[in-house]
Amino acid sequence: DQQVKQNSPSLSVQEGRISILNCDYTNSMFDYFLWYKKYPAEGPTFLISISSIKDKNEDGRFTVFLNKSAKHLSLHIVPSQPGDSAVYFCAASAYNNNDMRFGAGTRLTVKP
Amino acid sequence: SQTIHQWPATLVQPVGSPLSLECTVEGTSNPNLYWYRQAAGRGLQLLFYSIGIDQISSEVPQNLSASRPQDRQFILSSKKLLLSDSGFYLCAWSVRVETGSGYTFGSGTRLTVV
Repeated sequence: DQQVKQNSPSLSVQEGRISILNCDYTNSMFDYFLWYKKYPAEGPTFLISISSIKDKNEDGRFTVFLNKSAKHLSLHIVPSQPGDSAVYFCAASAYNNNDMRFGAGTRLTVKP
Repeated sequence: SQTIHQWPATLVQPVGSPLSLECTVEGTSNPNLYWYRQAAGRGLQLLFYSIGIDQISSEVPQNLSASRPQDRQFILSSKKLLLSDSGFYLCAWSVRVETGSGYTFGSGTRLTVV
């Protein structure tokens, strides 16, 4: 039961351009969404989050957009840098739930 | 500050052998603890989570088990490993019952069953 879906396994972007990573979810009880970044052989690290009462959250080069009616969120990275190359996981949780559901991840490659 | 330790970093085990992966958290009390697995080419699959000592919830039926003998210790075990148990295992912790606090992950264990 894949409640969080990242349908693009990989994305390649030129340095300086915008990277857009997409995520869809099915559980309408989810009210908090997060993006994690993962390098090989390391644990994921928290990147940015958004609660369901907002539709946009920005932190430097990273912006997350939430469309609740479409059950869709996206992560925008602009400008993209080679150091952004990693696997990005979308995650979602519901209030008072003790676990978080992750998507399958999208491997971003930023070419110099 | 809070830290999470997970070991070993890599492990090669024969089929049918036992497994024990350990995870400890420092600098916090009553954390939620989690075990995830990332299989090759796949996302993060929740295996177990724990909201307290000896309180374990299992998400996926399998030959793995988890135990929490102490508040900040979480152990993943198996009596007999299968080839399909190979993967990257991640331990994580979060603040108890606080939505949106996010998880802090350990550095992971690469398990190869041969």
